[in-house]
Amino acid sequence: EAGVTQFPSHSVIEKGQTVTLRCDPISGHDNLYWYRRVMGKEIKFLLHFVKESKQDESGMPNNRFLAERTGGTYSTLKVQPAELEDSGVYFCASSRRGGTLKRAGPAFFGQGTRLTVV
Amino acid sequence: TQLLEQSPQFLSIQEGENLTVYCNSSSVFSSLQWYRQEPGEGPVLLVTVVTGGEVKKLKRLTFQFGDARKDSSLHITAAQPGDTGLYLCAAKGGGSEKLVFGKGTKLTVNP
Repeated sequence: EAGVTQFPSHSVIEKGQTVTLRCDPISGHDNLYWYRRVMGKEIKFLLHFVKESKQDESGMPNNRFLAERTGGTYSTLKVQPAELEDSGVYFCASSRRGGTLKRAGPAFFGQGTRLTVV
Repeated sequence: TQLLEQSPQFLSIQEGENLTVYCNSSSVFSSLQWYRQEPGEGPVLLVTVVTGGEVKKLKRLTFQFGDARKDSSLHITAAQPGDTGLYLCAAKGGGSEKLVFGKGTKLTVNP
């Protein structure tokens, strides 16, 4: 079974430019999450999709960040325009959806995209 | 804001030694996960604990969830260089599926 895959693995862009990160979750996983770690800080939650719907986007920093998951398969996270403080490692994770009496499955993480804004 | 405090932040030991790392919070969690991360990779799940007082063993690793579900520990017996990595605790609470992470313990096991 393929794991969570993220593209690109590294991206260096100039301040003001646009970058789009992609995440392919594990097949059959309805839950998809985006997280970010800024240097020196802990990994922080950005947003949670259940299929194509945004379940929780309370961690999105501001309106320069736009996440989509059309069709409930892969997801993209676009940063436009990028600022210096957006630099960090962006992780995607996916898990099986829980039911009424069943918890969601454990989250499996991708290798991350290291974004550097210069 | 739920915070997870991990200690120690850094730990360097010799092969064969035992060690314990801690994950503490003032909040109650529905479940807690331990992950291990290596450079350039994403966190890899080691274990999930959900019941207060629960103890789980994974070969030389022993995980414990506190009785009040506010803290956890990871004990490694006879550490090996292959155990080197960043150990992260992460927890869910308040009915949310999002994970709250600690900053991690960076473990180095010297041969």
